[in-house]
Amino acid sequence: AQKVTQAQTEISVVEKEDVTLDCVYETRDTTYYLFWYKQPPSGELVFLIRRNSFDEQNEISGRYSWNFQKSTSSFNFTITASQVVDSAVYFCALSEAPPDYKLSFGAGTTVTVRA
Amino acid sequence: DSGVTQTPKHLITATGQRVTLRCSPRSGDLSVYWYQQSLDQGLQFLIQYYNGEERAKGNILERFSAQQFPDLHSELNLSSLELGDSALYFCASSTSGLSGNTIYFGEGSWLTVV
Repeated sequence: AQKVTQAQTEISVVEKEDVTLDCVYETRDTTYYLFWYKQPPSGELVFLIRRNSFDEQNEISGRYSWNFQKSTSSFNFTITASQVVDSAVYFCALSEAPPDYKLSFGAGTTVTVRA
Repeated sequence: DSGVTQTPKHLITATGQRVTLRCSPRSGDLSVYWYQQSLDQGLQFLIQYYNGEERAKGNILERFSAQQFPDLHSELNLSSLELGDSALYFCASSTSGLSGNTIYFGEGSWLTVV
């Protein structure tokens, strides 16, 4: 069975601080996919990134960066120089290999960025 | 805008009633998923359809049913509604492929059962 753990329930930072969100996963599959989604106060779920299990390269997209470490089953997400607009709930998710692509979500981390 | 369209955005209904939530996937996506987000359960996978066929089933109650039509849109039917069914219901879609897929979510349908 798959499991995703986001140990941090809430994180509060002041604008321009960096914030790192932890994600630890469990799966028996050798091929799997990891995701991060953002849920702003308006409620929609916004896709941020997908990472395949066979690709351990870290990725940077603007102020966002992701650190995938297979050895520790972690897929952490860092927001650099946070802004108020980054305030949201962030979810880490895991999906199995084909044919079942359903996502298992972590409980989410609420990030509050104060001006 | 993810390209996944859900209607209605908000719905208030009474216990015991039945509602239908509608979803149009992104153009070209064959898979449709339904998820429920509630305060106590978090984001829970309900069911997946691929090109009209049920592919995977999660924690979907027997009072709930779904289908995917030939034009690939999907409907989630919730019947004999209870207060605990109040939640945000998401539809998502993806194009399944050997290299993996990315699942895009709609804006959700807020259901309030009173």
